[in-house]
This record gives sequence, C-alpha cells and structure tokens, in this order.
Amino acid sequence: AQTVTQSQPEMSVQEAETVTLSCTYDTSESDYYLFWYKQPPSRQMILVIRQEAYKQQNATENRFSVNFQKAAKSFSLKISDSQLGDAAMYFCAYRRGVTGNQFYFGTGTSLTVIP
Amino acid sequence: GAVVSQHPSWVICKSGTSVKIECRSLDFQATTMFWYRQFPKQSLMLMATSNEGSKATYEQGVEKDKFLINHASLTLSTLTVTSAHPEDSSFYICSPAGVRRGGETQYFGPGTRLLVL
Repeated sequence: AQTVTQSQPEMSVQEAETVTLSCTYDTSESDYYLFWYKQPPSRQMILVIRQEAYKQQNATENRFSVNFQKAAKSFSLKISDSQLGDAAMYFCAYRRGVTGNQFYFGTGTSLTVIP
Repeated sequence: GAVVSQHPSWVICKSGTSVKIECRSLDFQATTMFWYRQFPKQSLMLMATSNEGSKATYEQGVEKDKFLINHASLTLSTLTVTSAHPEDSSFYICSPAGVRRGGETQYFGPGTRLLVL
C-alpha cells in the first residue's frame, strides 16, 4: 500500500518569508501523481500544486514550488513571500496513475503565518 | 466557479436517525465517486469508492450497511448514514472523478459536517 508521510505537524513562518513543508512517500508504482492541497478553516480542499512523476521538472505555481526528488521519494513544498492567507492545513497526497484512482493523504502540516 | 456541490453543508441529528448527504458534479460526468471522512485534526480517510451504476466498494472497517452509497447517475451520488451515532460525527467529503472539457479531472466537494447528538 502507498504511504505518505508528513513529519512536521506544525510549522510557522514570518509574513513575507519562505517556508518549506516536507513530504515523503512510498510506492512501487512508476506512474503516479503527487499533490499538495491546502485546507483552510472552511475545510474546503484547495489544490495548490500537482506534479507528474514522469516529469523531471519541478512544478511551480506562482509563489508555490515543489522539490521533487523521485529517487528519494521526497516531495517538498516551498512557499515564497508567505502571506496571511497561506495559513492553513497542508496535505501532501499521492495518486496512482490518472484520474479515477483514490488519493492517499499524509497527516498534514498546520502552517501559521506570523504578521 | 464551484464544480462540485454537497448538501447539506451542516447537519445536526439525533442518535438513531438517518442522514443523507448529496454530492453533485456540476459540469462534468463523474464516472467514479470517492467518499472520504475526516475526523477533527486528522487526515482524510477513504471510506468507499463507487462507479456509476455499480455497487460501492468499501474500505476495510467501514460498514457497508451503515454507510449506504448510491451512484445512480453521472452527476449525483448520495451517502446515507443510517442509524447515526455520536461516533459517526465527522466531516464527510466527496470526490468525483471523471471527464470534463479539457480532459480527465478529479475534484473535492466542500464537505458536510455531521454532528450526531
């Protein structure tokens, strides 16, 4: 079974600074996708960024970028120029193959942004 | 705009009653529906998977007779919590997967908070 591990239950960052959230995963599959989801207090899951395993280039979405180390099975999220609105729970997730397969989630990292 | 809706967003019920939660995919055909449950300060855990027109497949430890899932159409799936008890109080999230213009896609609904008294 696939497992996703987030070893940082809580993180904090000063506004405008950069923070990195860690995630490791375990799989024997070759075709998979990795995701970072943000869950604010409303609890709506919001997609932050997605990485296809076959792509070597790290995904980037504005202030959010990932460091995907396939051999090490590591998938960290870097948030640059942190904003107050970034405060939320962040979940790392794995999905085998394309749409139609379940997500496996990590335990989450609660991010606090300090003004 | 939102592509997945859940109704109700909040429900409080008495122990022993049944509660139905609806999940609608608004502008795409959901060939597969996932139902997740999230307890406070925990992660999302898959409860069951259903394909349109087929019986749902339940994860280990999830009672199929307690959590009834219907996926009769490509835009609607329902989760019914039968004879609810306080330990069923949780946040339930649907995740439809299917085909939308532009390709395959998978989303999460806004969730339903269930409180059983």
